[in-house]
Amino acid sequence: GAGVSQTPSNKVTEKGKYVELRCDPISGHTALYWYRQSLGQGPEFLIYFQGTGAADDSGLPNDRFFAVRPEGSVSTLKIQRTERGDSAVYLCASSKILGTGELFFGEGSRLTVL
Amino acid sequence: GNSVTQMEGPVTLSEEAFLTINCTYTATGYPSLFWYVQYPGEGLQLLLKATKADDKGSNKGFEATYRKETTSFHLEKGSVQVSDSAVYFCALYPNAGNMLTFGGGTRLMVKP
Repeated sequence: GAGVSQTPSNKVTEKGKYVELRCDPISGHTALYWYRQSLGQGPEFLIYFQGTGAADDSGLPNDRFFAVRPEGSVSTLKIQRTERGDSAVYLCASSKILGTGELFFGEGSRLTVL
Repeated sequence: GNSVTQMEGPVTLSEEAFLTINCTYTATGYPSLFWYVQYPGEGLQLLLKATKADDKGSNKGFEATYRKETTSFHLEKGSVQVSDSAVYFCALYPNAGNMLTFGGGTRLMVKP
């Protein structure tokens, strides 16, 4: 596709369950970012990848959160033992060139933890 | 650390009114500054940017000037349209770092 694709667009789960959120970046974009956006707030950085490796994961809130990008393209954000406070919109973005701040965002995956 | 502060919304204007959304930042060095916009039902998209002091970014009738002396990057438009209704985010990208830091967002509502 032409843009960043995120699936699912909506996910409702129960507290304690495991969740995976997928991001398919724009073809050829080497940098991939995950952000989290709570209601009425700006996006907060979670992690970014340059190629296959996580170059900076300092924004992950705790060890229940993990992300992978095994082949340098699609990325999966994994959340274990979900808590109600994890409810938010998870945004993925990609960039052709690292270092510009010009990111292309997907529409996000809305996670609701009951 | 780096931070961005922008005026709280919502900002409600009539069509053709003048718009200003204030944004100030805290950062070491000389970051690049951005405005991103989120239209209803769509993902965030880049509106404009400025990479050094006194640069003016512009797009779709919107403008913002990088003011280092006041650490500000206020967004302006001379005549807003209903289609400008969206949430606007100010952001910075540090010259030593690799992620955008966003402000809290300002919702703009333009009434016909």
